[in-house]
Amino acid sequence: DTAVSQTPKYLVTQMGNDKSIKCEQNLGHDTMYWYKQDSKKFLKIMFSYNNKELIINETVPNRFSPKSPDKAHLNLHINSLELGDSAVYFCASSPRDRTLLEQYFGPGTRLTVT
Amino acid sequence: GNSVTQMEGPVTLSEEAFLTINCTYTATGYPSLFWYVQYPGEGLQLLLKATKADDKGSNKGFEATYRKETTSFHLEKGSVQVSDSAVYFCALVTGTASKLTFGTGTRLQVTL
Repeated sequence: DTAVSQTPKYLVTQMGNDKSIKCEQNLGHDTMYWYKQDSKKFLKIMFSYNNKELIINETVPNRFSPKSPDKAHLNLHINSLELGDSAVYFCASSPRDRTLLEQYFGPGTRLTVT
Repeated sequence: GNSVTQMEGPVTLSEEAFLTINCTYTATGYPSLFWYVQYPGEGLQLLLKATKADDKGSNKGFEATYRKETTSFHLEKGSVQVSDSAVYFCALVTGTASKLTFGTGTRLQVTL
C-alpha cells in the first residue's frame, strides 16, 4: 500500500551516462514534484507537474528532463551525468485541494556519479 | 522571495529533555507553515502544519504555533525520546503553485 514509490533506491553510475528515476503515486493526487537533497541535507524543488502539465521549473540544467506520462507518474531523466548531480532525489505528490497543501514524499533515490 | 531560517544543528539532548528548534521565515503573502521529519534513510514525513496566524499544529507530542508578529514557527516537545532522533525541516508554501520552501534542516540526536 505504498503511497509514493521511487525506483531505483540506489543508483551508481559514471560521468557522462544517461539515467532515469521513476516515481509513482497511488494517492490519486494531481500534482507531483521532484526535489534534490544535497550532501548537507538542503532540499530544493526542481520541477512540479499538475495533471501532466509542467507548472514549476526551477533553475535546473536542461540535462534534467521530467516526463509525466499520466498524473500518477513523474519520471526524471538525466543526460550526461556530472559529479555534481550526486544527491538524493525525492519525488512528492499533493492533492488537488489547495486547503490541504501537504506533500507526500517518496523514500528517495540516492544517485552517486563517479 | 520566500525563505526559511532554522537553527544550526546538530542538537544533542538526553532522553526526556525539552526540545525547541527555532524557525523563522520571510514570505510574500500569507504562508502556510509545516514541519517535516526525516528519519535516517527515509523520505520526509509531514509532522505538523499551521495554515494561519495563531494556529497551533501538533502531532506525536510535538507542537508549533504560527506567530505572524515574529514570523516564527518554533518546534517544541516536552520530553524527547531516542526514537525522535532525525532531521527536522521547517517549510512554507504560498500561493497556488504549492511550491515548498525548506529550511536547511536541524539534526536532532537524543541519547539515553
